[in-house]
Amino acid sequence: QQPVQSPQAVILREGEDAVINCSSSKALYSVHWYRQKHGEAPVFLMILLKGGEQKGHEKISASFNEKKQQSSLYLTASQLSYSGTYFCGTEWGYGQNFVFGPGTRLSVLP
Amino acid sequence: KAGVTQTPRYLIKTRGQQVTLSCSPISGHRSVSWYQQTPGQGLQFLFEYFSETQRNKGNFPGRFSGRQFSNSRSEMNVSTLELGDSALYLCASSLESEIDYGYTFGSGTRLTVV
Repeated sequence: QQPVQSPQAVILREGEDAVINCSSSKALYSVHWYRQKHGEAPVFLMILLKGGEQKGHEKISASFNEKKQQSSLYLTASQLSYSGTYFCGTEWGYGQNFVFGPGTRLSVLP
Repeated sequence: KAGVTQTPRYLIKTRGQQVTLSCSPISGHRSVSWYQQTPGQGLQFLFEYFSETQRNKGNFPGRFSGRQFSNSRSEMNVSTLELGDSALYLCASSLESEIDYGYTFGSGTRLTVV
């Protein structure tokens, strides 16, 4: 079952902050975040695992609320390079199907 | 080090034909997954291979198949092409599971069915 992402789209000015949410109706084992720029392949940002472990780029901040089965990606002091579509991906157990959300389109304007 | 290589980059096929797409993962990566990306459906999981065995499969018809070779290279085949199969097909590799350090995606194969 596909996770739900919100908002669908967001427009920011450089320097502003944004939060992108990802939620699931099923208990999650892991949540992943990827960013895809137009015409390019998705790029890995971060993994958050059940139990609190996180792996990813140091400049990216995210949280994983296991009780709510929800993850949030925090983009602070946004830069033009942050523009793109952000996808969360979820897995309900180790080795289970990995499913991406529909994406959140982020546009950062000068 | 070389990234994930997908060939060909672009492909135009006629309805009813079949097509084979190729993916070479990052050296040392043993897991290869395939995704179909369309504007309306987003990233849809096709299947995952690990050590030449299909480990997971998405909800696609049997016309979509794949395999992985002993060197971890993977191929995806679509038979009896339909117009709706037009999409960007992305291959992603990881060490043993996407849990390790996420997927590394290839640039994709853009398939157009006419």
